[in-house]
Amino acid sequence: QSVLTQPPSVSAAPGQKVTISCSGSSSNIGNNYVSWYQQLPGTAPKLLIYDNNKRPSGIPDRFSGSKSGTSATLGITGLQTGDEADYYCGTWDSSLSAGYVVFGGGTKLTVL
Amino acid sequence: QVQLQESGPGLVKPSETLSLTCTVSGGSISSYYWSWIRQPPGKGLEWIGYIYYSGSTNYNPSLKSRVTISVDTSKNQFSLKLSSVTAADTAVYYCARADMTTVTTPPYYFDYWGQGTLVTVSS
Repeated sequence: QSVLTQPPSVSAAPGQKVTISCSGSSSNIGNNYVSWYQQLPGTAPKLLIYDNNKRPSGIPDRFSGSKSGTSATLGITGLQTGDEADYYCGTWDSSLSAGYVVFGGGTKLTVL
Repeated sequence: QVQLQESGPGLVKPSETLSLTCTVSGGSISSYYWSWIRQPPGKGLEWIGYIYYSGSTNYNPSLKSRVTISVDTSKNQFSLKLSSVTAADTAVYYCARADMTTVTTPPYYFDYWGQGTLVTVSS
């Protein structure tokens, strides 16, 4: 029962494009920036996207982010087998006075 | 390159206090926010809280009554204490650096992570 809602799984063939959605509300995505993380099996999460659509140094432009209203989307083009991982969205939730960080439940990407 | 390393007991008894330390190398702990995030086996990420190098803190409301995060700038370390643990607290615990878009926005994204440490709560 995560605050942000992601599809449990998505799949696509190598070379294709896939999108992963992240749905929230006005207290989180609607009024705050969104980040995305990639977690390869057995490793720590890695920052892919921050401020809705910015990529840290070293992240290829095959990864992109967007936000509209209370939803955000991660796009991955030119899929590679090495992209098989769990992907998480995150943002700030302002529903309480102090605010806090919330994550989506994660989406498992399978590259067929 | 900033690196983070968690350390602490891998096994804690129910009702006791979980204690972990994160050592930051390759950069100063000053001028940043530092977080703890956990991941139960096979489940998603849960933010525990953060501390600013000056000592100010913010915690997840669902854990606030049991969590204390502290910082030791002289050692470039910050620590987590979680009291009255149960089996539900079994998880991989990550320490991470939190960053923000501007000085007026909250520190909501995590650009450097430790490798994580599994803490099991069991008698």
